[in-house]
Amino acid sequence: KQEVTQIPAALSVPEGENLVLNCSFTDSAIYNLQWFRQDPGKGLTSLLLIQSSQREQTSGRLNASLDKSSGRSTLYIAASQPGDSATYLCAVRAYGQNFVFGPGTRLSVLP
Amino acid sequence: DGGITQSPKYLFRKEGQNVTLSCEQNLNHDAMYWYRQDPGQGLRLIYYSQIVNDFQKGDIAEGYSVSREKKESFPLTVTSAQKNPTAFYLCASSIGHSNQETQYFGPGTRLLVL
Repeated sequence: KQEVTQIPAALSVPEGENLVLNCSFTDSAIYNLQWFRQDPGKGLTSLLLIQSSQREQTSGRLNASLDKSSGRSTLYIAASQPGDSATYLCAVRAYGQNFVFGPGTRLSVLP
Repeated sequence: DGGITQSPKYLFRKEGQNVTLSCEQNLNHDAMYWYRQDPGQGLRLIYYSQIVNDFQKGDIAEGYSVSREKKESFPLTVTSAQKNPTAFYLCASSIGHSNQETQYFGPGTRLLVL
């Protein structure tokens, strides 16, 4: 069964830094991978969807990459801002399974 | 505005009581999902429904029940059989198939036990 992990569990950076969040999954037979943002006490907001045939997707300061063969995805945030502070979760849609979520990385961007 | 609404925002349950969480969507999505989120853990799937009048158990369905009588609505009942119900409950719907399937989430309901 698909398992998804995210490292680090928490990250604190000064404003303006570029940063990378990691997502790993155990089974490369996936349809897609989706990155979400969650603010405290709120629902999840979709950031980027990468289909299995794609290598990366970009939206503004966000860039997500996918390497199915190694079971990894990264979310790159450029020029981080205090408003980027949130928990970031990745979710994998695997063959024959429902969406499987990672535990998230809690990001704090310090002014 | 299209979206997913959940109510109430906070819900308190007494011992032995059944409570129902509401989830409504006006996105015209066929599939709907219920997840439970506990601190420091990823979302865990409780129930899902791909079409009206049909639903399947997820990974942690024990102590929960659902119905799907309308496309727009997917209420979740937390029964007295669920011994540890305190959690954040998230409803989602999805559109597309296979590699294009994308999930959208409601704002969540926090359930607390008195």
